[in-house]
Amino acid sequence: SAVISQKPSRDICQRGTSLTIQCQVDSQVTMMFWYRQQPGQSLTLIATANQGSEATYESGFVIDKFPISRPNLTFSTLTVSNMSPEDSSIYLCSVEQGSYGYTFGSGTRLTVV
Amino acid sequence: KNEVEQSPQNLTAQEGEFITINCSYSVGISALHWLQQHPGGGIVSLFMLSSGKKKHGRLIATINIQEKHSSLHITASHPRDSAVYICAEIGSNYKLTFGKGTLLTVNP
Repeated sequence: SAVISQKPSRDICQRGTSLTIQCQVDSQVTMMFWYRQQPGQSLTLIATANQGSEATYESGFVIDKFPISRPNLTFSTLTVSNMSPEDSSIYLCSVEQGSYGYTFGSGTRLTVV
Repeated sequence: KNEVEQSPQNLTAQEGEFITINCSYSVGISALHWLQQHPGGGIVSLFMLSSGKKKHGRLIATINIQEKHSSLHITASHPRDSAVYICAEIGSNYKLTFGKGTLLTVNP
């Protein structure tokens, strides 16, 4: 199965700033997903990012707040824009690989102060 | 609305005990994932199954499609098994719907 390198692993950011999270996959994958896990909560899907098309956002998430890039089949970024303390969460990327199932990045623990 | 329910929410065991975590889902699915999340936040995929039973080392996962129920068993539990265990159903468009997780603590 694929190996995903996710960066940064953690960050502390000032409110009003933006943070870009990167996921690099060691093989080409079609479907990549971005999730948010708020403290004490389960994972929630932010958007599905497929190469060559606009990301598809879930209800409650908008492109202006969480712009996503997917320039090729091995790389994607998620930006958390104009951050507030409510954005403090773990953010994870994931890829779908058929019979191998799903592989997750190691997560980015974001604290907004 | 897809719902995934896990029980128990928290589980404390002594080293060596047999552990069972349960998962129920509400709609027909293509497959179910069992995941393990450690305190740092990273998630590891344990099993993906659509029928029957799978075994890997001390971990066993079963699924009953008719009853919409799955279980994860850990035999001879060890403190290093302490983590959050999450089940997730794979729905349409390959989207995962996650349970809230079971926090397992195994004491030496």
